[in-house]
Parts: sequence; C-alpha cells; structure tokens
Amino acid sequence: KAGVTQTPRYLIKTRGQQVTLSCSPISGHRSVSWYQQTPGQGLQFLFEYFSETQRNKGNFPGRFSGRQFSNSRSEMNVSTLELGDSALYLCASSDGSSGEQYFGPGTRLTVT
Amino acid sequence: DQQVKQNSPSLSVQEGRISILNCDYTNSMFDYFLWYKKYPAEGPTFLISISSIKDKNEDGRFTVFLNKSAKHLSLHIVPSQPGDSAVYFCAARDTGANSKLTFGKGITLSVRP
Repeated sequence: KAGVTQTPRYLIKTRGQQVTLSCSPISGHRSVSWYQQTPGQGLQFLFEYFSETQRNKGNFPGRFSGRQFSNSRSEMNVSTLELGDSALYLCASSDGSSGEQYFGPGTRLTVT
Repeated sequence: DQQVKQNSPSLSVQEGRISILNCDYTNSMFDYFLWYKKYPAEGPTFLISISSIKDKNEDGRFTVFLNKSAKHLSLHIVPSQPGDSAVYFCAARDTGANSKLTFGKGITLSVRP
C-alpha cells in the first residue's frame, strides 16, 4: 500500500496571504488528522476529519480550517498568515478506531 | 498545561547497550499510548503502542512498559544501533477522543558506534 502523501513539500508565503495544503491518506483509511510542529514544541493537534466530518478540533484560531472529500483526501487552509504560522504541518491517517496513526512527510511552511 | 511530558531532552548510549526513554502523563483518561520515531525532514514513523489494559508490549528490539498507577511509560530498545539515532515522541489518546493524539516534546536519542 502506498503511504500518506502530502503536497507541496515546501512552501514560502508572505504575511497576510492564505495557503492550502493537501493530504492523501493510506488507501482504505477514513480518518485524517492534522498536526503542527514548531521548534521546541511537540506535535500539536489541529483537527481530525472522518468520513468528511470534522470529528475533533484542537486549540487553534479560526484561521486554520480543513475539509475532507469523499475519497478521504483532506485539505488544510490557513488564512491571513502570520510569521508564527511557520512550521512543519503533518498529516496522519488511520482507520479511525485502532488508535495507530501513520504520518506523511509533512509540508514545511515558511511565512516571511 | 502539558499532559504528556518527556522530561529528558536528549539521551546518548553506546551501540549494543540498552536505551530507555521515559514518558509521564497527567490525564487519567488516556487509554492508548504510542511511540514514534522521527528523522529530520521526515514525518514520524510509528514504532509500537500499548493499551491501558496491558503493562507490557514487545516488538523485536522494542518493548514498551506502562505503569498506570505512576502514570509513566517507557520505551526500551535492546540492543541499540546507530540507526536508532532520531527523535522519539511519546503520544497518548484520550478515551472517546477518536484519533486525536497528544504528544510529548520528544527525546533526541544518539547511539554512539
């Protein structure tokens, strides 16, 4: 089975712009979760989508949003980018019940 | 408030010896625990997990121990190999929180040849 894929791998944006990141889960997995990793921090949970519905949400401002399509692919959108949004954004897929999540390689976002 | 804590930021061990990575948690509702390994510029790789109804799970060179009363878990790697050098994250799932995982800040393991 192919693993979790994320596009793009690297992105440079300017403050105030918006960005959309994409994630394709492992075939058959219906749950997609998004995490943010910044230097000195662990991975922080953004949100989870299961069968096109947001099932969990972390403590991030409303500028961070997401969606999931019928084929389980997911997108994450960040509007009005701030310098502090510079981070590695990781997507993880799971079957939604076992607890084990499998991560993609991440998208490195740099905001200047 | 950090619910999953990895208090030692780094660990260095000799090749062939045992590596013991520790993790503490505060949330009594956590029912499932996982360890991930991460290399630079890559996503975390799942290593091993344990349910709260068990106290030990073993997979090859990796063993995870859970002490619920102490809210403590540890990952043992025996024998350690230079390729094990990476950042290790401890993660926990809250009962009923579906796929949401809470991660510690990670431990950098260096295995010296």
